[in-house]
Amino acid sequence: EVQLVETGGGLIQPGGSLRLSCAASGFTVTSNYMSWVRQAPGKGLEWVSVIYSGGSTYYADSVKGRFTISRDNSKNTLYLQMSSLRAEDTAVYYCARALSPVGEDPWFDPWGQGTLVTVSS
Amino acid sequence: QSVLTQPPSVSGAPGQRVTISCTGSSSNIGAGYDVHWYQQLPGTAPKLLIYGNNNRPSGVPDRFSGSKSGTSASLAITGLQAEDEADYYCQSYDSSLSAHYVFGTGTKVTVL
Repeated sequence: EVQLVETGGGLIQPGGSLRLSCAASGFTVTSNYMSWVRQAPGKGLEWVSVIYSGGSTYYADSVKGRFTISRDNSKNTLYLQMSSLRAEDTAVYYCARALSPVGEDPWFDPWGQGTLVTVSS
Repeated sequence: QSVLTQPPSVSGAPGQRVTISCTGSSSNIGAGYDVHWYQQLPGTAPKLLIYGNNNRPSGVPDRFSGSKSGTSASLAITGLQAEDEADYYCQSYDSSLSAHYVFGTGTKVTVL
């Protein structure tokens, strides 16, 4: 079964750092496009970052320079290192596989269950 | 911030048909990029509903259908059922410098 499980969320003070993990099963993280998407309380979905199968990484302007996406082949796990956290980073963070068959534009499937990050003093 | 605009809410009685619009621009939908749709039931993660403008993954009822034209796309739900009450989001790729993937603002579907 294809599945994603996020861990690592919690309460963190402004300016602090946190690392989220996303363990994959049923497929290989390094062979796929993998992304992080967040959802602030009561708000819509916001794309955060992507790492392509070749290793290229991209970020939303709101997190560029503060967040780093990476992956570990041996653990089949995706990570999001977050630093200089702000109150506006408070959200549920989802990891998702971005499927992109040849000639088609990527969509996200599956999604993990999400992990809540709360930035507050 | 979202660059795809959706109506905040739509509603319908059981059995009725409702549609949700998703309006983009020349750097995303208008550039020819595919539109995908997600359903988010209360308290759960989003789930893929429609991919590649009008394709349903296995297990998604044929009551759900998608279309795209110009800089907009639409999701239609026919034969509305109580379990369809959820938030719906469109998503596309964006070729602007600052964004790769963009989501719609989201639409709450209420079954009356």
